[in-house]
Amino acid sequence: EPEVTQTPSHQVTQMGQEVILRCVPISNHLYFYWYRQILGQKVEFLVSFYNNEISEKSEIFDDQFSVERPDGSNFTLKIRSTKLEDSAMYFCASLQDHGNTIYFGEGSWLTVV
Amino acid sequence: SQQGEEDPQALSIQEGENATMNCSYKTSINNLQWYRQNSGRGLVHLILIRSNEREKHSGRLRVTLDTSKKSSSLLITASRAADTASYFCATQEETSGSRLTFGEGTQLTVNP
Repeated sequence: EPEVTQTPSHQVTQMGQEVILRCVPISNHLYFYWYRQILGQKVEFLVSFYNNEISEKSEIFDDQFSVERPDGSNFTLKIRSTKLEDSAMYFCASLQDHGNTIYFGEGSWLTVV
Repeated sequence: SQQGEEDPQALSIQEGENATMNCSYKTSINNLQWYRQNSGRGLVHLILIRSNEREKHSGRLRVTLDTSKKSSSLLITASRAADTASYFCATQEETSGSRLTFGEGTQLTVNP
């Protein structure tokens, strides 16, 4: 079955540093997402991306965050000037078309120290 | 309370027993999806049920949806130790584009 792949699986970074999390969505999918899950908490929506632009974002997704689809396959989440509270599992997801299943990657654990 | 609340928060059963998890939500939805998450791992999609459907089956899984009560249930029959995981419901709301809103999850432990 096709899958969403994410790299790195785990990253430790110093507070204040920039982090880029990478995702390769399923190839024929059109909608892309980032979610995060702070340890022990529920999964929270960050941003959705369609047709090369952000289609929706949550209040969590402030100016510290940005997303990019630099080529036909990768979808990245950049976190500028990381804070301790950014420590979480970040999930990438993709969707072929509205009303269908959203598939998630294995996640990238980000630890900010 | 929030969109997509599961109960119970934790459930512990013996292998072979059935496990039932419930999910309630507050707004009108297009569909509801159930996911499983093993500790520290990714979200594995289990089943999607659309707002015009009442019940769906997939192997040992049975999902029901009652839009009048804004609730869904996930039944796992003949549970196995390997079913031990957290289970989340997630709703795709009518007014929120294609994003999913997740519940708090139910931690299921199946004892061998």
